[in-house]
Amino acid sequence: EDKVVQSPLSLVVHEGDTVTLNCSYEVTNFRSLLWYKQEKKAPTFLFMLTSSGIEKKSGRLSSILDKKELFSILNITATQTGDSAIYLCAVNFSNDYKLSFGAGTTVTVRA
Amino acid sequence: ETGVTQSPTHLIKTRGQQVTLRCSSQSGHNTVSWYQQALGQGPQFIFQYYREEENGRGNFPPRFSGLQFPNYSSELNVNALELDDSALYLCASSLAGFFYGYTFGSGTRLTVV
Repeated sequence: EDKVVQSPLSLVVHEGDTVTLNCSYEVTNFRSLLWYKQEKKAPTFLFMLTSSGIEKKSGRLSSILDKKELFSILNITATQTGDSAIYLCAVNFSNDYKLSFGAGTTVTVRA
Repeated sequence: ETGVTQSPTHLIKTRGQQVTLRCSSQSGHNTVSWYQQALGQGPQFIFQYYREEENGRGNFPPRFSGLQFPNYSSELNVNALELDDSALYLCASSLAGFFYGYTFGSGTRLTVV
């Protein structure tokens, strides 16, 4: 069965710290890996990764995929209180119509 | 503001009752997917609708059913509610043949008592 595992489950940091979130997967026919941020209800799209070794960046957030080792990391630098959220990792498979999500990592940034 | 709207935002139902949740997809999107997110868990795929037909289903029993209308809006129906059905139900729209993630709605928080 396809599996997506995120770690850690939660963490608390102070403003200005750097955070690294991990996502590993065991899937067949991998097509893409996506990161979402969920603050209250609606997950919002951050990144979609399909190729190994190519870093995607958006402001203070960046992410990279390792298809050989089957994992991805999401980095947040110079964290702010507005970064407090649940970060979800999801995997999409070839010829498939759904996303398989991990349980998420809850990030709390303290002022 | 998300282009996907869901209603209602919250509701409370009694075990054994039936519920209908509604979703309007983002303009230009023709595919709607439904997910269930229990507290402390990631979203779990329920099913997807494309061209008014079910286009794939997750591990949910038949008492979870859905509809898609010609304007691409959708309904999720749950019969014989159980306490474990308490969750956030998320609707997500996308464009078939061009998968670049979903646009999620804000969800409906269902509590079964």
